[in-house]
Amino acid sequence: GQQLNQSPQSMFIQEGEDVSMNCTSSSIFNTWLWYKQDPGEGPVLLIALYKAGELTSNGRLTAQFGITRKDSFLNISASIPSDVGIYFCAGQRGNNDMRFGAGTRLTVKP
Amino acid sequence: KAGVTQTPRYLIKTRGQQVTLSCSPISGHRSVSWYQQTPGQGLQFLFEYFSETQRNKGNFPGRFSGRQFSNSRSEMNVSTLELGDSALYLCASSPPTSGSSYNEQFFGPGTRLTVL
Repeated sequence: GQQLNQSPQSMFIQEGEDVSMNCTSSSIFNTWLWYKQDPGEGPVLLIALYKAGELTSNGRLTAQFGITRKDSFLNISASIPSDVGIYFCAGQRGNNDMRFGAGTRLTVKP
Repeated sequence: KAGVTQTPRYLIKTRGQQVTLSCSPISGHRSVSWYQQTPGQGLQFLFEYFSETQRNKGNFPGRFSGRQFSNSRSEMNVSTLELGDSALYLCASSPPTSGSSYNEQFFGPGTRLTVL
């Protein structure tokens, strides 16, 4: 089963609002990743984090690798309708050994 | 460059049957990983193949198996299907890497398997 606790499970927000979601674990991970999955497609990598404390941005997305290496968060600023989808966190320990969170389903109302 | 392709995209089987799913990685990628995605359990790692050898394995029963060919294409097989095997099966490929840093995985669109 999953070893990552991702919250919230779902979010309904108004266009233009900021969004925050996070992932926690009882285990330490070497890398934290955030993916977005659209209906009928596979997950697409948004941001990869490699070091504890690292803060990385990709356009309106910002993610941080927690100091303890057991958590990470993703922020989306000024949401737009195309941000709709399911966002997954993933932690990697060994080579290509990844664990995923259950996902956060984001709905953006225009 | 073409992305990861998976065939078939949709499949309906009945309990007890077996199924084979196929994955063609991005050209030049030698690592292929398989995942099962269900609403209840989310994305779970099945196994990873590199240069025709299974390199990592998740916690799935022996009914789930896979292989990789010399051209890096991979297949996974599920025997004696159960209702709970209904899921989206995702394949991801990774480019060659050096060292132990994370190697980005590129996912295919998945094969949706329904077991009746």
